[in-house]
Amino acid sequence: KAGVTQTPRYLIKTRGQQVTLSCSPISGHRSVSWYQQTPGQGLQFLFEYFSETQRNKGNFPGRFSGRQFSNSRSEMNVSTLELGDSALYLCASRNGQASTDTQYFGPGTRLTVL
Amino acid sequence: AQSVSQHNHHVILSEAASLELGCNYSYGGTVNLFWYVQYPGQHLQLLLKYFSGDPLVKGIKGFEAEFIKSKFSFNLRKPSVQWSDTAEYFCAVIYEHSNNDMRFGAGTRLTVKP
Repeated sequence: KAGVTQTPRYLIKTRGQQVTLSCSPISGHRSVSWYQQTPGQGLQFLFEYFSETQRNKGNFPGRFSGRQFSNSRSEMNVSTLELGDSALYLCASRNGQASTDTQYFGPGTRLTVL
Repeated sequence: AQSVSQHNHHVILSEAASLELGCNYSYGGTVNLFWYVQYPGQHLQLLLKYFSGDPLVKGIKGFEAEFIKSKFSFNLRKPSVQWSDTAEYFCAVIYEHSNNDMRFGAGTRLTVKP
């Protein structure tokens, strides 16, 4: 099976712009989670989607949003970009909803905000 | 607050040395525990996980971890490291009733000198 894929891999934006990141989970996986990874804050949970519904949300401002489509692909949107949003954004998928289901991570999208 | 602590930020070892990376989590009831590894330029990969049963868990590439409930710890061990183990290692916890909110430690960078 192909792994989790994320597009684009690298992105450069300027402050105030918005950005959309895409994640395709492993075939058959219905749960997609998003994480932000920065040198200062480490890995932080953004949100999780299952069957097109947001199940859980981390402690991020409303500028961060997401959605999931019927084919389980997910997008994450960040509006009004700030310099501090520069980070590696990781997507992870799992088969079901249980925390015991193994999460598989994608390679990430490196976002740089200038 | 529910959190995960990794004691060492950077560990430097020579090949064949033994490894132990510390991980402690704050009390929060039943937990599922994970160790992930991120090799340079690669995505996060699951090394091992603990949900229940035998507290000594064996993972891939010769790694193991021991869950000590009384100490809220889940330390990662390997008896003899190789140069190829150079990577960043993350401990992660999912607390029961957290809706799959995975909390990561800050990570430990391991450098193995040949």
